[in-house]
Amino acid sequence: QKEVEQNSGPLSVPEGAIASLNCTYSDRGSQSFFWYRQYSGKSPELIMSIYSNGDKEDGRFTAQLNKASQYVSLLIRDSQPSDSATYLCAVGGYQKVTFGTGTKLQVIP
Amino acid sequence: SAVISQKPSRDICQRGTSLTIQCQVDSQVTMMFWYRQQPGQSLTLIATANQGSEATYESGFVIDKFPISRPNLTFSTLTVSNMSPEDSSIYLCSVEGGTGANVLTFGAGSRLTVL
Repeated sequence: QKEVEQNSGPLSVPEGAIASLNCTYSDRGSQSFFWYRQYSGKSPELIMSIYSNGDKEDGRFTAQLNKASQYVSLLIRDSQPSDSATYLCAVGGYQKVTFGTGTKLQVIP
Repeated sequence: SAVISQKPSRDICQRGTSLTIQCQVDSQVTMMFWYRQQPGQSLTLIATANQGSEATYESGFVIDKFPISRPNLTFSTLTVSNMSPEDSSIYLCSVEGGTGANVLTFGAGSRLTVL
């Protein structure tokens, strides 16, 4: 079992729609959870971090964490073509961050 | 958050040679992390570099293949030794910093192609 699992996609959504990205993790001791965005040929950049159960909103982005289900999600509202990228779920433990394989999102104009 | 300069940005190397990647941070950091991203894959942690101690390598990575130096709190190098085509990858330097625990900032990466 992979430590951090994501659907590789591609996930295609029309412009203006809500994109929903999901991630599960295996280590129940994980304490920190992240979503990174990676454009082709670029390095990852942090979109959201979340440390406790529930929702965290930042602009068009909402991260959701359910530690009991070992599940993290990212919602992108009013999706824009510029949101087209690979989204990496990452889970942090003691001095180590483990990344999922990423979900490729395509926003269709 | 920290600004990371990484070089070379890309290189084409011959099989059997070694290449050293440099990572310079604009502030002092305790730990620096080296990741590998193979084509179409996610990031895999190679090792964690602490200043003044030996790097800690993840399962599947060994010091002889990926020696790391960490001479001070702002600089680290990763060498990819005796390269083969399977080492063709993007190598990324990262540091913790920013708004919370485990938040990583990445350098621009070094894209290596081994012929």
